[in-house]
Amino acid sequence: AQSVTQLGSHVSVSEGALVLLRCNYSSSVPPYLFWYVQYPNQGLQLLLKYTSAATLVKGINGFEAEFKKSETSFHLTKPSAHMSDAAEYFCAVSITGTASKLTFGTGTRLQVTL
Amino acid sequence: DAMVIQNPRYQVTQFGKPVTLSCSQTLNHNVMYWYQQKSSQAPKLLFHYYDKDFNNEADTPDNFQSRRPNTSFCFLDIRSPGLGDAAMYLCATSRAGQPTDTQYFGPGTRLTVL
Repeated sequence: AQSVTQLGSHVSVSEGALVLLRCNYSSSVPPYLFWYVQYPNQGLQLLLKYTSAATLVKGINGFEAEFKKSETSFHLTKPSAHMSDAAEYFCAVSITGTASKLTFGTGTRLQVTL
Repeated sequence: DAMVIQNPRYQVTQFGKPVTLSCSQTLNHNVMYWYQQKSSQAPKLLFHYYDKDFNNEADTPDNFQSRRPNTSFCFLDIRSPGLGDAAMYLCATSRAGQPTDTQYFGPGTRLTVL
């Protein structure tokens, strides 16, 4: 079965600093990987996804992620954090034959300080 | 704007009293999903519909049922809520059920069980 592991349940960065949220996956077949963001009391919104085309994926709000098969990773980055980036971030995986069923990681709460 | 709507946003019920949560979509997507998200945890898939075909997750309790009377609407019925069922319930849709599809989430219904 496929799974994702998010290292660090809480990450705190200063405004303007680099954001790095870690995600490692486990899958016996080629995975499709997603990053979703959840603001308080709201549903999830797609930031970006890897669908086996380009390994460097650019998403909304200045975020990007790189699929690294050798490291089984799909870390999310943003060069300069903004206060509005404070939210919960979920990495998720799906595989062929699962009707786009997503398996989510446990999430990373990003705090942005002045 | 095309969207996923959930009603109510907040629902309070009593222990053992049946409750129904509602989801509607204007995206005309084939697939609708229900997730349960407990505090500080990842969303957990309960079941999904591909058109009228119902697909239950193996570990979803029998207490949880769903109906999809038409393309636009999907309901989550909790027959006898227990204290452990207090959670955010998220509805999501995807266009065609492919593993690369984006899922579009509603804002969620927060269920409190007294």
